[in-house]
Amino acid sequence: EVQLLQSGGGLVQPGGSLRLSCAASGFTFSNCPMSWVRQAPGKGLEWVSAVSPTGGSTYYTDSVKGRFTISRDNSKSTVYLQLDSLRAEDTAAYYCAKGEVGATYYFDHWGQGTLVSVSS
Amino acid sequence: DIQMAQSPSSLSASVGDTVTITCRASQGISNHLAWFQQKPGKAPKSLIYSASILESGVPSNFSGSGSGTYFTLTITSLQPEDLATYYCQQYYSYPPTFGGGTKVEFK
Repeated sequence: EVQLLQSGGGLVQPGGSLRLSCAASGFTFSNCPMSWVRQAPGKGLEWVSAVSPTGGSTYYTDSVKGRFTISRDNSKSTVYLQLDSLRAEDTAAYYCAKGEVGATYYFDHWGQGTLVSVSS
Repeated sequence: DIQMAQSPSSLSASVGDTVTITCRASQGISNHLAWFQQKPGKAPKSLIYSASILESGVPSNFSGSGSGTYFTLTITSLQPEDLATYYCQQYYSYPPTFGGGTKVEFK
């Protein structure tokens, strides 16, 4: 059974930092691209970032470029999202999502979500 | 970026009804379209990929169709557990983009 177990998140002041983690099991992690998708309170879904299976390629939506960093540790089957220079508009539930081999941006499994709240 | 327009944004239906949600892409995406179900306070769940293929375990009262720029999600014999918000998403081109969602409520 595929499982994506998220941790991290919380309340942080504007300009602060957080690191989100997503521990995967039930599939060959090192074969699969991984993404982060967020959802602001009461709003829709927004793709944030993706990392290739080896970690050698990373991708970001424009609004987080230079502030967020995605990475992965295939030895730990874990993907991370480092959030720096946080802004109020980054407040959202963040979900890690598993891509498919050959379909990077089709998300067939999702983590349970973790809330990031940016406020003074 | 490819824009995904979903309609309606919300609908009210009764148990046993058939409901249809539409999703239009701003340019052709072949069949690279997925549908997700999100229940209140929960993570999204994949229902359909490649426009019409049901994910394992998804009830057969869900179906998807379409290609190019026009897609539909149909739920027949609506059940109480189908109360949720439904999103379409294109994965044809970078960046992946989602529709605005359709909230299904019961009368």
